[in-house]
Formats: sequence, structure tokens, C-alpha cells
Amino acid sequence: NAGVTQTPKFQVLKTGQSMTLQCAQDMNHEYMSWYRQDPGMGLRLIHYSVGAGITDQGEVPNGYNVSRSTTEDFPLRLLSAAPSQTSVYFCASSYSAARQTQYFGPGTRLLVL
Amino acid sequence: GENVEQHPSTLSVQEGDSAVIKCTYSDSASNYFPWYKQELGKRPQLIIDIRSNVGEKKDQRIAVTLNKTAKHFSLHITETQPEDSAVYFCAASIEYSSASKIIFGSGTRLSIRP
Repeated sequence: NAGVTQTPKFQVLKTGQSMTLQCAQDMNHEYMSWYRQDPGMGLRLIHYSVGAGITDQGEVPNGYNVSRSTTEDFPLRLLSAAPSQTSVYFCASSYSAARQTQYFGPGTRLLVL
Repeated sequence: GENVEQHPSTLSVQEGDSAVIKCTYSDSASNYFPWYKQELGKRPQLIIDIRSNVGEKKDQRIAVTLNKTAKHFSLHITETQPEDSAVYFCAASIEYSSASKIIFGSGTRLSIRP
């Protein structure tokens, strides 16, 4: 099993550009989530999904969209990138719920100029 | 919504000494409290967790305690070693019929002095 994979590893965007951060897992996990990590602010929840077709907002959802059309994939879309979205993004998954071990992907480092 | 506060933000201890990191949470409905360790440049990984029906849990040199009444929980690392140097995150999980999410604290950077 590859576990949780994320692409790209690193990305530079200009303000106003859009892009999609990819996240996939091959463990048949129902629960998936996206976090951003900024210095001194820990891991902040952006969006999460309890299963295919179901998504919900986390702590900092503004500026981000998600969809969950399959169990395996949970992409994160930035519609119009802003410098404030410069961060490291982590995708995580667990078997069925938040109250289980979360398996994190390797992260995507995003720089918005 | 749930809010998790973590202290201290940085901690430096002598190798062999103990380290304690404390967290508080706001929502009394939270019932699962994991701790994650993140080494430099790597992804967070679970090191220990505790559920609300347990007051203490131990795994070798690490232990977690939970006080539901006070809504706080702590991570204890004994006999610290250089490989314990990392950022540690506490978290609280809340489950409603309409929501299931984990909220993390802001992290503690632990440094072990040789």
C-alpha cells in the first residue's frame, strides 16, 4: 500500500491563479481531511469528508473548495490564490471517523507570490 | 466550535529529564484525545491517544492523562532521549450526528539538550 499520497510536493503560484492539490489513499478509508500548517498555528482543519459524496467545513474553509466523488480521492481546490494561502498542506485519512488514527500524507508546500 | 489550546509553545529539557505538555479543550462533547509527533520535514504521526472513558494511558516512556471535569489533558515523556526532539500536537475529536472532526492545538517544539 502506498498509504496517503499528495501531489505536487511543491508549487509556486501567482496571486489570482487557481490550482488543485491532489490527495489519494489506497486503504479504503472513509474519512479524509485537509489541514494547513503555518508556523505557530499548528494544524488547522480546512475541510473534511466522512465518505464519498459528503463534505463539510472545518475551521478555515474560506478560499478552498473540496469534492469527494470517490472513496480514494479528495482534491483541494484554490479558486483564486492569495499570499495568505502560502502554507504547507496536509491531507489525512482514517478508517471511518475522526476519533481514529489519522494517517497523513507527505504534504504539499505552496508559495503564493 | 471546539478550541484546543496547547502550552508551552517551546520546551527545552536536559536529556534524561521529563517533559510535560498540557492542553485544554472547550467542548465537553469531545471524547477522543490523540497526540501526534512531527519530526523536522516529516508528516505528523500518532504516538498515543486516550478516550474519554479513561483517565490515564501509558506506553513505555510516554503517558497521557485526561481530566474531563477540568477539560484538560497532558502528555508526559520520561527519560527523554535525543530522538524525542520534535513538534508535538495535541488534538480533540468531536462527534455529532452532523459532524466528525479533529481540532489540533498549536504545537509544542520540544528540544532535548545533550
